[in-house]
Amino acid sequence: EAGVAQSPRYKIIEKRQSVAFWCNPISGHATLYWYQQILGQGPKLLIQFQNNGVVDDSQLPKDRFSAERLKGVDSTLKIQPAKLEDSAVYLCASSLETHRATEAFFGQGTRLTVV
Amino acid sequence: GENVEQHPSTLSVQEGDSAVIKCTYSDSASNYFPWYKQELGKRPQLIIDIRSNVGEKKDQRIAVTLNKTAKHFSLHITETQPEDSAVYFCAASPGGGADGLTFGKGTHLIIQP
Repeated sequence: EAGVAQSPRYKIIEKRQSVAFWCNPISGHATLYWYQQILGQGPKLLIQFQNNGVVDDSQLPKDRFSAERLKGVDSTLKIQPAKLEDSAVYLCASSLETHRATEAFFGQGTRLTVV
Repeated sequence: GENVEQHPSTLSVQEGDSAVIKCTYSDSASNYFPWYKQELGKRPQLIIDIRSNVGEKKDQRIAVTLNKTAKHFSLHITETQPEDSAVYFCAASPGGGADGLTFGKGTHLIIQP
C-alpha cells in the first residue's frame, strides 16, 4: 500500500515568514497526527485529527501554528510567523483508529530550517 | 502528562553482541509501549510493541520486556548486525494504540564491525 506522503521534503525560510506543510495519509486511515522532531530528540505530538475533527491539540503553539484537515483526508500545517526554534522535522503520521491496537505510520517528514 | 526517559543516548556494540535500551515512564495509566527504529534521514518505523497485560514479547532477534510495577520497559536486540545501526525510540500511550504517544529522546545504536 502507498505510504504517508508529505511535501515539501525541505524548506528554508527566514524568521517571521510563513510556511505550510502538506500531508496525505494512507487511504482509509481516519486518524492523522502532526509531530515535531527537533534534532536529537524524539517526535513530539502537535495535533491529532480523527476524520476532520481535532482530538488533541494541547501541545500546539496556537499563537503561531495552525492545522486543518478539510474533508477528513489531506491535512496542512502552517506556521505564521516562524521563529528560529521552529527549525525541526515535521512528521505526519496516520493510523486506522485511535482506541484500538493500531500502528502509526509515519511519512518521510519535512525538514524546516528557519534562518 | 506522560514523561518518558530513555537510556543510553548512544550505545556502541560489537557485531554479534546484544544491545539493551531502557525506558521509564511516569503515567501509570499508560498501557501501550511501542518501539520505533529511525534510520538516518528516514521515517520512524514500528519494530515491536507491548501492551500492559503482557510482560514480554519476542520477534526473532528483538524482544521487549515490561515491568508495570517499576514503570520501565526495555528493548533487547540479540546477535546484532550492521543493519541494526539506527536511532531507536521508545514511546508510551494511555490509549492502547497510536494516540497520545509520548516518545523518549532516542538511542543511537552503533554496530561496530
